[in-house]
Amino acid sequence: EVQLVETGGGLIQPGGSLRLSCTASGFTVSSNYMSWVRQAPGKGLEWVSTIYTGGSTYYADSVKGRFTLSGDNSKNTLYLQLNSLRAEDTAVYYCARWLQSFEAFDIWGQGTMVTVSS
Amino acid sequence: EIVLTQSPGTMSLSPGERATLSCRASQSVSSSYLAWYQQKPGQAPRLLIYGASTRATGIPDRFSGSGSGTDFTLTISRLEPEDFAVYHCQQYGSSLVTFGGGTKVEIK
Repeated sequence: EVQLVETGGGLIQPGGSLRLSCTASGFTVSSNYMSWVRQAPGKGLEWVSTIYTGGSTYYADSVKGRFTLSGDNSKNTLYLQLNSLRAEDTAVYYCARWLQSFEAFDIWGQGTMVTVSS
Repeated sequence: EIVLTQSPGTMSLSPGERATLSCRASQSVSSSYLAWYQQKPGQAPRLLIYGASTRATGIPDRFSGSGSGTDFTLTISRLEPEDFAVYHCQQYGSSLVTFGGGTKVEIK
């Protein structure tokens, strides 16, 4: 079965750090464009970051310089390192596969909640 | 950055009615790069339409997408009880992705 499972969310104080993980099954992460999309409580979706198959990474301006996207091919897992967290980073973070032939996200994980609060 | 504006924010309809959702872009979007998603409470989004008008695998034919340039539409021909949800449009360009604010389709 093709699926994505995110872990690593939780409650963190402003200025703190967190690492989110996204483990894939049924396909190879390194052979696909992979992304993180977040959704603040009661709000719309916001693209966060994408890693291309060649390793190039792209970030939304709102997280550039604070978040880092990487992957571990041996574990078929994607990581999002969140540093210098702010209250406005509070959201459900979804991992998603970007299908180039569709130019859309075709597979989504169930999401992991990150709450930034003192 | 291309901004997508969805309207209306909320629409109240009855099962069996037709729903027409709008997604307007601040600049022209390639039709190949416009997608629609459905999201139910507590769930991840699900891809409905890509390339502005192509239904994803398993999506019923009561869902259809159309449009070009800056104006795109998602139509649900006859609402089923399971169609009441939030719908998001999304575009891709210059390695950046943006989403609209969403339209909630609620039961009248």
